[in-house]
Amino acid sequence: GAGVSQSPSNKVTEKGKDVELRCDPISGHTALYWYRQRLGQGLEFLIYFQGNSAPDKSGLPSDRFSAERTGESVSTLTIQRTQQEDSAVYLCASSRRVSGAYNEQFFGPGTRLTVL
Amino acid sequence: AQSVTQLGSHVSVSEGALVLLRCNYSSSVPPYLFWYVQYPNQGLQLLLKYTTGATLVKGINGFEAEFKKSETSFHLTKPSAHMSDAAEYFCAVLSGYSTLTFGKGTMLLVSP
Repeated sequence: GAGVSQSPSNKVTEKGKDVELRCDPISGHTALYWYRQRLGQGLEFLIYFQGNSAPDKSGLPSDRFSAERTGESVSTLTIQRTQQEDSAVYLCASSRRVSGAYNEQFFGPGTRLTVL
Repeated sequence: AQSVTQLGSHVSVSEGALVLLRCNYSSSVPPYLFWYVQYPNQGLQLLLKYTTGATLVKGINGFEAEFKKSETSFHLTKPSAHMSDAAEYFCAVLSGYSTLTFGKGTMLLVSP
């Protein structure tokens, strides 16, 4: 079946502009994750959605970052007033319901964001 | 809090040589450990994972890793490197049952 998809694949924006990144999880996956990968760094956890529960936002680096997910479908990550340090690859992953046991996370190809 | 350290941002091997990528972790609970591979312009692909049971785990493409609790290590190995193994490799530890904490990655370079 289809994997996790993300759009756009590349985004170039000017400092101070807002951007929206989209993630389509695998059908039936109730958990969705956003990670950020900056050059030379590992992946940093940003936010985690599990079904209709309140999201875990503990990884969001500032209040300029926000994310939404409607039900168990598409998620959007929004970065307001972008800064050059926001330049990174933003990766989305999804997994089956997390309920006391680990379920493998499947990653999308990422969105490469460049802030000029 | 969990953390992961990968020794060496770049590792170079010749085709046919042994591949060894090092990973050490810290965890306050029995860890779930993972190795992911990332090919250029692609997402992460799970190579292998350790959850419980046998400490030597085998993954795809001939890779394997051994969980050593006494050394807090989970090094990735492959007996004979292939050109197609050139990629970036990430070690990760599970935080709770949900999010992953990743190392900074090791780029594997394979020369003919």
